[in-house]
Amino acid sequence: NAGVTQTPKFRVLKTGQSMTLLCAQDMNHEYMYWYRQDPGMGLRLIHYSVGEGTTAKGEVPDGYNVSRLKKQNFLLGLESAAPSQTSVYFCASSTLGEEGRQPQHFGDGTRLSIL
Amino acid sequence: GQNIDQPTEMTATEGAIVQINCTYQTSGFNGLFWYQQHAGEAPTFLSYNVLDGLEEKGRFSSFLSRSKGYSYLLLKELQMKDSASYLCAVRDSNYQLIWGAGTKLIIKP
Repeated sequence: NAGVTQTPKFRVLKTGQSMTLLCAQDMNHEYMYWYRQDPGMGLRLIHYSVGEGTTAKGEVPDGYNVSRLKKQNFLLGLESAAPSQTSVYFCASSTLGEEGRQPQHFGDGTRLSIL
Repeated sequence: GQNIDQPTEMTATEGAIVQINCTYQTSGFNGLFWYQQHAGEAPTFLSYNVLDGLEEKGRFSSFLSRSKGYSYLLLKELQMKDSASYLCAVRDSNYQLIWGAGTKLIIKP
């Protein structure tokens, strides 16, 4: 069972470069999320999607864009990387469920360093 | 603003019991989740509470008091593999998860 797969696992970028982080889930989940995790802070939501073709801003969307062209994939783009975007990025997915008790399932993360 | 508070770090002894507390102030409440995260790995789901009371799952239990904005995760018969961070998250009125910074649990032999 693959679950949620993120690529790449590690990446080093120079300031100003752009890149796309890929997330794929094989659980047929409707909802997908991109978070960043920084030391001493909780997971912060960047963008999310409630279904194919739809996206919405989370808590910290600036400097990022997303697309969900297929239900199973959710892409996170960095337009012009900045050192403040150095972080661990997690993708998660979840389904609609009884009484909202369905948890989010996470990928293994992408460790991104911006020099 | 929305806020989730957890202790930063706790230490416990193998075989003992530990309680990790979480207090929250959020715009609305639609359930509280506990996740476990080993260093360098993804968070994994442990428990869910939406009604007041205790939910038990093997060695792990989670308690919720909505009137007090309070939850705890109770870990019994601690094992070395329980050394990890424990994350508390509350689903708010927009059905988004608000996350605490996590509690790093260190287990000593």
